[in-house]
Amino acid sequence: DIQMTQSPSSLSASVGDRVTITCRASQSISSYLNWYQQKPGKAPKLLIYAASSLQSGVPSRFSGSGSGTDFTLTISSLQPEDFATYYCQQSYSTPNFGQGTRLEIK
Amino acid sequence: QLQLQESGPGLVKPSETLSLTCTVSGGSISSSSYYWGWIRQPPGKGLEWIGSIYYSGSTYYNPSLKSRVTISVDTSKNQFSLKLSSVTAADTAVYYCARRRRSGPYGMDVWGQGTTVTVSS
Repeated sequence: DIQMTQSPSSLSASVGDRVTITCRASQSISSYLNWYQQKPGKAPKLLIYAASSLQSGVPSRFSGSGSGTDFTLTISSLQPEDFATYYCQQSYSTPNFGQGTRLEIK
Repeated sequence: QLQLQESGPGLVKPSETLSLTCTVSGGSISSSSYYWGWIRQPPGKGLEWIGSIYYSGSTYYNPSLKSRVTISVDTSKNQFSLKLSSVTAADTAVYYCARRRRSGPYGMDVWGQGTTVTVSS
């Protein structure tokens, strides 16, 4: 099984901040890495696929990078609606998710 | 646009079988480009992929749940279904259905709103 580890588990930031979340795979997954945003009581929403491709309709302040085992999700300038939980997910083999990063307002 | 909607009992007794259906609207489940899957989220916890099915009926499951899971498809009704046997309180969760491309480094791009299932006597 490929294990996905996100860091940090939680993060406090202010509107306008630049934020980076990291996801590490236990073995190489090439670019088979996706990022989701989930708000309370809602289904996850796909933000980034194939490590760095922006899903249609997602604001350009979201970006992804990385390949192999190390990946990052960056939000360039936090907006009030961005406070949520973020998950990475590998689709290289049996799909699985990281444990999540909760982004809170400072 | 494509929409997914989960349905099924919200309460299941321990040791019984959980059964849910996902209805696809605004598109065809028989598309050759997509897998259709189930994901769950226990209260206050993260996401767990359960399994996926192709319109032809081919399936693949999370190894940790494989012995208890059956996913099937009914193309005439544009639906796919989940059965999880011998449930315990640990199976209490919000259950989501979702779509992902059959091949390539793609994510799950369309999700249902989720349905809460509680396992309790």
